[in-house]
Amino acid sequence: AQTVTQSQPEMSVQEAETVTLSCTYDTSENNYYLFWYKQPPSRQMILVIRQEAYKQQNATENRFSVNFQKAAKSFSLKISDSQLGDTAMYFCAINNAGNMLTFGGGTRLMVKP
Amino acid sequence: DTGVSQDPRHKITKRGQNVTFRCDPISEHNRLYWYRQTLGQGPEFLTYFQNEAQLEKSRLLSDRFSAERPKGSFSTLEIQRTEQGDSAMYLCASSLASSSYEQYFGPGTRLTVT
Repeated sequence: AQTVTQSQPEMSVQEAETVTLSCTYDTSENNYYLFWYKQPPSRQMILVIRQEAYKQQNATENRFSVNFQKAAKSFSLKISDSQLGDTAMYFCAINNAGNMLTFGGGTRLMVKP
Repeated sequence: DTGVSQDPRHKITKRGQNVTFRCDPISEHNRLYWYRQTLGQGPEFLTYFQNEAQLEKSRLLSDRFSAERPKGSFSTLEIQRTEQGDSAMYLCASSLASSSYEQYFGPGTRLTVT
């Protein structure tokens, strides 16, 4: 079984600044995928970024990047140049069997103008 | 290419009634997943199908819950004798079996049991 922990229930950041969301996980598998999903208010969940565990290089998608520390089982998300549209719930998730996703409890991010 | 769609988007029902939700996956996706999300929490896995076969069910899926995917395309999730604790967002996702780690989510059906 795998678990995902997000220790920051809520965070806020000023527009144009940088914010980092934390995530730790536990799994007994060696091959797995990690994800950050964004869920805006009353809107559907969308994939922000993914990381394959066998890749040492941290994934980057435009303003979004991750800090993947495999030994520490840590997977944080950095959002640069925060925009008002980044306001949402952010969920960290793991998939190690190609089947179900296991999600953390989420971090509510508020971007302030 | 349309995304994952779910119907209805909202459902209000009285305790004890039966409800059925529908999910239409992305057309070429052969895997379909159901998750449940309660307010302020992350989604929890319920079950998934590969084509028409239901391959895994969570312990969360009590006997009152049943899911089907009869022709390997759309899926239905039925809840019998609803309870207030069933109030939640029911999310559907789909993927290709060859890249099943990457799941695409629908907008969800929000169920309120009064």
